Amino acid sequence: GQNIDQPTEMTATEGAIVQINCTYQTSGFNGLFWYQQHAGEAPTFLSYNVLDGLEEKGRFSSFLSRSKGYSYLLLKELQMKDSASYLCAVSRSGGSYIPTFGRGTSLIVHP
Amino acid sequence: ETGVTQTPRHLVMGMTNKKSLKCEQHLGHNAMYWYKQSAKKPLELMFVYNFKEQTENNSVPSRFSPECPNSSHLFLHLHTLQPEDSALYLCASSTSPDVTGELFFGEGSRLTVL
Repeated sequence: GQNIDQPTEMTATEGAIVQINCTYQTSGFNGLFWYQQHAGEAPTFLSYNVLDGLEEKGRFSSFLSRSKGYSYLLLKELQMKDSASYLCAVSRSGGSYIPTFGRGTSLIVHP
Repeated sequence: ETGVTQTPRHLVMGMTNKKSLKCEQHLGHNAMYWYKQSAKKPLELMFVYNFKEQTENNSVPSRFSPECPNSSHLFLHLHTLQPEDSALYLCASSTSPDVTGELFFGEGSRLTVL
């Protein structure tokens, strides 16, 4: 089976940096996704990590350590529109690659 | 026009009603999915279709009945639901469930069962 943990809620200030952590335990690992979901909207893809290290994409970066079963999503220069839920999802190797999702982290950005 | 469209966006039904949710994707994908999203819970995979064939049923009660007439359309037929079935039902599509790739989600159908 799979176990994915991420904090339920985080708050941060506009302009700041925030790091959302995700830890996972899985039998067979293929890759890790991060999705963003604004209230009442569809989840949208942010990043996908397969290898260890940091992937940077504009204000957002995602890090993966396969040996530690750990990932984080780093958001820089926070904006009010970054208030959303951030979903960590793990894809297993062998058989179906359909990702399993964590509960999501609700990020509130305040002025 | 968004890539994955779901209708209706909101639905209220009694426990004895029969209703259907519809999903349409315009991305040329071969795989389509139904997910259930409840408050404080992870997204739960319900059904997977690949080239119109159901490839996964994640122990979903028979009161939920999926239908996939072609690779672009997916339905979820609802019958004699329970109040605990109230949730956001998300449709998604991807190139294939057999390769790694991002899921493209619709905005969901918010279901309330009275």
